Amino acid sequence: AQTVTQSQPEMSVQEAETVTLSCTYDTSESDYYLFWYKQPPSRQMILVIRQEAYKQQNATENRFSVNFQKAAKSFSLKISDSQLGDAAMYFCAWAGNEKLTFGTGTRLTIIP
Amino acid sequence: EPEVTQTPSHQVTQMGQEVILRCVPISNHLYFYWYRQILGQKVEFLVSFYNNEISEKSEIFDDQFSVERPDGSNFTLKIRSTKLEDSAMYFCASSPLIGQVGETQYFGPGTRLLVL
Repeated sequence: AQTVTQSQPEMSVQEAETVTLSCTYDTSESDYYLFWYKQPPSRQMILVIRQEAYKQQNATENRFSVNFQKAAKSFSLKISDSQLGDAAMYFCAWAGNEKLTFGTGTRLTIIP
Repeated sequence: EPEVTQTPSHQVTQMGQEVILRCVPISNHLYFYWYRQILGQKVEFLVSFYNNEISEKSEIFDDQFSVERPDGSNFTLKIRSTKLEDSAMYFCASSPLIGQVGETQYFGPGTRLLVL
Protein backbone atom coordinates (compact mmCIF):
# COMPACT_ATOMS: atom_id res chain seq x y z
CA ALA A 1 0.00 0.00 0.00
CA GLN A 2 1.12 3.51 -0.74
CA THR A 3 2.04 5.70 2.20
CA VAL A 4 2.82 9.38 2.45
CA THR A 5 4.86 10.72 5.37
CA GLN A 6 5.16 14.30 6.53
CA SER A 7 7.64 14.31 9.37
CA GLN A 8 7.15 17.93 10.40
CA PRO A 9 3.87 18.39 12.26
CA GLU A 10 4.55 22.11 12.65
CA MET A 11 6.78 24.68 11.01
CA SER A 12 7.12 28.42 11.38
CA VAL A 13 8.76 31.04 9.22
CA GLN A 14 9.31 34.75 9.37
CA GLU A 15 7.27 36.77 6.90
CA ALA A 16 9.16 37.28 3.59
CA GLU A 17 11.50 34.38 4.34
CA THR A 18 11.67 30.98 2.65
CA VAL A 19 10.47 27.72 4.16
CA THR A 20 10.63 24.12 2.98
CA LEU A 21 8.09 21.47 3.94
CA SER A 22 9.15 17.84 3.68
CA CYS A 23 7.28 14.88 2.27
CA THR A 24 8.34 11.32 1.54
CA TYR A 25 6.28 8.55 0.04
CA ASP A 26 6.49 4.86 -0.57
CA THR A 27 5.25 3.22 -3.75
CA SER A 28 6.13 0.49 -6.18
CA GLU A 29 4.32 2.26 -9.01
CA SER A 30 6.31 3.92 -11.76
CA ASP A 31 3.55 6.21 -13.04
CA TYR A 32 2.06 8.52 -10.46
CA TYR A 33 1.48 12.12 -9.51
CA LEU A 34 2.23 14.13 -6.41
CA PHE A 35 0.37 17.11 -5.02
CA TRP A 36 0.55 19.70 -2.33
CA TYR A 37 -2.77 20.94 -0.98
CA LYS A 38 -3.25 23.86 1.38
CA GLN A 39 -5.96 23.87 4.04
CA PRO A 40 -6.48 27.29 5.65
CA PRO A 41 -8.57 27.74 8.82
CA SER A 42 -11.70 27.64 6.66
CA ARG A 43 -10.73 23.95 6.09
CA GLN A 44 -11.21 24.12 2.34
CA MET A 45 -8.65 22.03 0.42
CA ILE A 46 -6.86 24.18 -2.14
CA LEU A 47 -4.46 22.76 -4.72
CA VAL A 48 -1.04 24.42 -4.49
CA ILE A 49 1.06 22.47 -6.96
CA ARG A 50 1.15 19.23 -8.96
CA GLN A 51 4.09 17.12 -10.18
CA GLU A 52 4.12 14.29 -12.71
CA ALA A 53 6.54 11.56 -11.67
CA TYR A 54 7.80 11.03 -15.21
CA LYS A 55 8.91 14.65 -15.48
CA GLN A 56 12.37 15.43 -14.17
CA GLN A 57 11.71 19.15 -14.12
CA ASN A 58 10.43 20.41 -10.81
CA ALA A 59 7.02 22.08 -10.88
CA THR A 60 6.76 25.77 -10.03
CA GLU A 61 3.75 27.99 -9.33
CA ASN A 62 4.72 31.57 -8.56
CA ARG A 63 6.25 31.54 -5.04
CA PHE A 64 5.73 27.79 -4.66
CA SER A 65 8.15 25.22 -6.03
CA VAL A 66 8.94 21.60 -5.38
CA ASN A 67 12.10 19.57 -5.08
CA PHE A 68 11.16 16.18 -6.51
CA GLN A 69 13.70 13.42 -5.95
CA LYS A 70 12.19 10.31 -7.50
CA ALA A 71 14.90 7.87 -6.48
CA ALA A 72 14.71 9.05 -2.89
CA LYS A 73 10.88 9.22 -3.06
CA SER A 74 11.00 12.73 -1.71
CA PHE A 75 8.74 15.64 -2.64
CA SER A 76 9.37 18.82 -0.67
CA LEU A 77 7.56 22.13 -1.06
CA LYS A 78 9.44 25.42 -0.97
CA ILE A 79 7.55 28.61 -0.26
CA SER A 80 9.49 31.76 -1.09
CA ASP A 81 8.73 35.24 0.22
CA SER A 82 6.29 33.84 2.79
CA GLN A 83 3.13 35.85 3.31
CA LEU A 84 0.65 35.93 6.17
CA GLY A 85 -1.93 34.33 3.88
CA ASP A 86 0.29 31.27 3.53
CA ALA A 87 -0.53 30.24 7.10
CA ALA A 88 -2.35 26.92 6.82
CA MET A 89 -2.09 23.15 7.06
CA TYR A 90 -0.21 21.76 4.09
CA PHE A 91 -0.91 18.23 2.92
CA CYS A 92 1.24 16.21 0.59
CA ALA A 93 -0.69 13.69 -1.51
CA TRP A 94 0.08 10.84 -3.89
CA ALA A 95 -2.07 9.56 -6.75
CA GLY A 96 -1.30 6.45 -8.80
CA ASN A 97 -4.89 5.61 -9.50
CA GLU A 98 -8.17 7.34 -8.89
CA LYS A 99 -7.80 8.19 -5.24
CA LEU A 100 -5.51 10.55 -3.39
CA THR A 101 -3.45 9.25 -0.48
CA PHE A 102 -2.64 12.06 1.94
CA GLY A 103 0.05 12.63 4.52
CA THR A 104 -0.74 13.80 8.02
CA GLY A 105 -0.02 17.44 7.24
CA THR A 106 2.30 20.21 8.38
CA ARG A 107 0.90 23.25 10.13
CA LEU A 108 2.70 26.34 8.85
CA THR A 109 2.75 29.49 10.96
CA ILE A 110 3.90 32.81 9.53
CA ILE A 111 5.56 35.15 12.01
CA PRO A 112 4.97 38.83 11.19
CA GLU B 1 -13.99 30.11 -12.07
CA PRO B 2 -16.16 27.00 -11.64
CA GLU B 3 -16.02 25.38 -8.23
CA VAL B 4 -17.37 22.44 -6.31
CA THR B 5 -20.09 23.37 -3.84
CA GLN B 6 -21.35 21.46 -0.82
CA THR B 7 -24.40 21.76 1.39
CA PRO B 8 -24.93 22.07 4.24
CA SER B 9 -21.75 23.62 5.57
CA HIS B 10 -22.53 22.29 9.04
CA GLN B 11 -24.81 19.49 10.17
CA VAL B 12 -25.58 18.33 13.68
CA THR B 13 -27.45 15.06 14.09
CA GLN B 14 -28.34 12.53 16.74
CA MET B 15 -26.66 9.13 16.76
CA GLY B 16 -28.67 6.64 14.73
CA GLN B 17 -30.17 9.25 12.43
CA GLU B 18 -29.70 9.31 8.68
CA VAL B 19 -27.89 12.21 7.04
CA ILE B 20 -27.47 13.18 3.41
CA LEU B 21 -24.58 15.36 2.39
CA ARG B 22 -24.91 17.11 -0.93
CA CYS B 23 -22.36 18.17 -3.49
CA VAL B 24 -22.54 19.88 -6.85
CA PRO B 25 -19.40 18.98 -8.81
CA ILE B 26 -17.95 21.15 -11.53
CA SER B 27 -20.30 20.83 -14.48
CA ASN B 28 -18.09 19.14 -17.10
CA HIS B 29 -16.37 16.81 -14.64
CA LEU B 30 -16.88 13.08 -14.88
CA TYR B 31 -15.30 11.58 -11.76
CA PHE B 32 -16.61 12.30 -8.28
CA TYR B 33 -15.18 11.52 -4.88
CA TRP B 34 -15.92 11.68 -1.19
CA TYR B 35 -13.18 12.07 1.42
CA ARG B 36 -13.38 12.32 5.19
CA GLN B 37 -11.21 14.18 7.67
CA ILE B 38 -11.66 13.45 11.36
CA LEU B 39 -10.60 16.46 13.42
CA GLY B 40 -6.82 16.62 13.73
CA GLN B 41 -6.26 13.71 11.38
CA LYS B 42 -5.41 13.31 7.73
CA VAL B 43 -7.83 13.29 4.86
CA GLU B 44 -9.02 9.79 3.98
CA PHE B 45 -10.54 8.50 0.76
CA LEU B 46 -14.04 7.08 1.02
CA VAL B 47 -15.33 6.43 -2.49
CA SER B 48 -15.02 7.33 -6.15
CA PHE B 49 -17.92 7.38 -8.59
CA TYR B 50 -18.04 7.32 -12.37
CA ASN B 51 -20.77 6.68 -14.90
CA ASN B 52 -23.40 6.27 -12.20
CA GLU B 53 -21.60 3.59 -10.27
CA ILE B 54 -18.98 3.21 -7.61
CA SER B 55 -15.54 2.91 -9.13
CA GLU B 56 -13.54 2.30 -5.96
CA LYS B 57 -14.24 2.38 -2.25
CA SER B 58 -12.17 2.17 0.91
CA GLU B 59 -12.65 -0.10 3.89
CA ILE B 60 -14.22 2.86 5.70
CA PHE B 61 -17.07 2.89 3.17
CA ASP B 62 -19.13 0.12 4.70
CA ASP B 63 -22.82 -0.73 4.32
CA GLN B 64 -23.98 2.32 6.23
CA PHE B 65 -22.67 4.57 3.46
CA SER B 66 -24.10 5.03 0.00
CA VAL B 67 -23.61 7.47 -2.85
CA GLU B 68 -25.93 8.59 -5.57
CA ARG B 69 -26.16 10.99 -8.45
CA PRO B 70 -29.91 11.58 -8.42
CA ASP B 71 -29.91 14.09 -11.25
CA GLY B 72 -27.47 15.69 -13.65
CA SER B 73 -25.87 17.95 -11.10
CA ASN B 74 -26.04 16.65 -7.53
CA PHE B 75 -23.82 13.99 -5.98
CA THR B 76 -24.85 12.80 -2.54
CA LEU B 77 -23.36 10.83 0.32
CA LYS B 78 -25.85 9.14 2.63
CA ILE B 79 -24.98 7.81 6.05
CA ARG B 80 -27.83 5.54 7.09
CA SER B 81 -27.40 5.28 10.83
CA THR B 82 -24.83 7.71 12.11
CA LYS B 83 -22.34 6.83 14.82
CA LEU B 84 -20.33 9.11 17.07
CA GLU B 85 -17.20 8.23 15.11
CA ASP B 86 -18.75 9.55 11.91
CA SER B 87 -18.19 13.07 13.21
CA ALA B 88 -15.80 14.59 10.70
CA MET B 89 -15.39 17.00 7.84
CA TYR B 90 -16.64 15.45 4.61
CA PHE B 91 -15.16 16.70 1.36
CA CYS B 92 -16.54 16.19 -2.10
CA ALA B 93 -14.16 16.41 -5.04
CA SER B 94 -14.44 16.12 -8.80
CA SER B 95 -12.05 15.68 -11.69
CA PRO B 96 -12.58 16.18 -15.41
CA LEU B 97 -11.13 13.18 -17.15
CA ILE B 98 -11.97 9.52 -17.25
CA GLY B 99 -9.82 7.72 -14.73
CA GLN B 100 -6.73 9.61 -15.70
CA VAL B 101 -3.93 8.80 -13.30
CA GLY B 102 -3.10 11.87 -11.27
CA GLU B 103 -5.80 14.05 -12.74
CA THR B 104 -6.26 17.01 -10.46
CA GLN B 105 -9.15 16.71 -8.06
CA TYR B 106 -10.97 19.90 -7.13
CA PHE B 107 -12.35 19.97 -3.64
CA GLY B 108 -15.47 21.54 -2.25
CA PRO B 109 -15.48 23.54 0.99
CA GLY B 110 -16.59 20.56 3.05
CA THR B 111 -19.50 19.70 5.33
CA ARG B 112 -18.73 19.56 9.02
CA LEU B 113 -20.79 16.73 10.51
CA LEU B 114 -21.24 16.42 14.25
CA VAL B 115 -22.96 13.34 15.64
CA LEU B 116 -24.23 13.65 19.22
